[in-house]
Amino acid sequence: DQQVKQNSPSLSVQEGRISILNCDYTNSMFDYFLWYKKYPAEGPTFLISISSIKDKNEDGRFTVFLNKSAKHLSLHIVPSQPGDSAVYFCAASYNQGGKLIFGQGTELSVKP
Amino acid sequence: EPEVTQTPSHQVTQMGQEVILRCVPISNHLYFYWYRQILGQKVEFLVSFYNNEISEKSEIFDDQFSVERPDGSNFTLKIRSTKLEDSAMYFCASFLRGNSPLHFGNGTRLTVT
Repeated sequence: DQQVKQNSPSLSVQEGRISILNCDYTNSMFDYFLWYKKYPAEGPTFLISISSIKDKNEDGRFTVFLNKSAKHLSLHIVPSQPGDSAVYFCAASYNQGGKLIFGQGTELSVKP
Repeated sequence: EPEVTQTPSHQVTQMGQEVILRCVPISNHLYFYWYRQILGQKVEFLVSFYNNEISEKSEIFDDQFSVERPDGSNFTLKIRSTKLEDSAMYFCASFLRGNSPLHFGNGTRLTVT
């Protein structure tokens, strides 16, 4: 049941450049989307979210874009820093939150 | 900033034994969850709990699993008779209300031998 998919298991980016992480979903009932960051041996840490009524949300270096017609969202990190190296999970929910469906994760490596 | 705390951080148990994983959610949150992540796989929903009862559970959450909120602060996951395939990271999460994020604890690594 792959309702949320992250097709790139890994991404390598140079420090200072833009990191773009992608996520696709299939369930049109999803109305709230989130990105989480996860370090080894820690729990997922909330990064940024977007409601389905918006197409963009920005928080500092992080911007999430939502394209509902394509059922696609992306996370942009500008500029990327070595401390951003982690696994990034896309997640979605319906009925305005609560239970999350996660993608498989993308491991981001930012090289100095 | 308030956080979700989980104990123990690592639990080793023998197959067939019972384990209880403990969580203290964020104090003013109303909804509580357990998720698990088998090594190398995605984070999977197990169960949600609201108003002292299970609100939703996944097909993974069979009769071997149970949850309880024994007092005003703790939230526990019990696995009655552990199997090798129960080895995973178990994450507790809590949530205040609609369109706000789930906050996760750092997890309990369960190893069943």
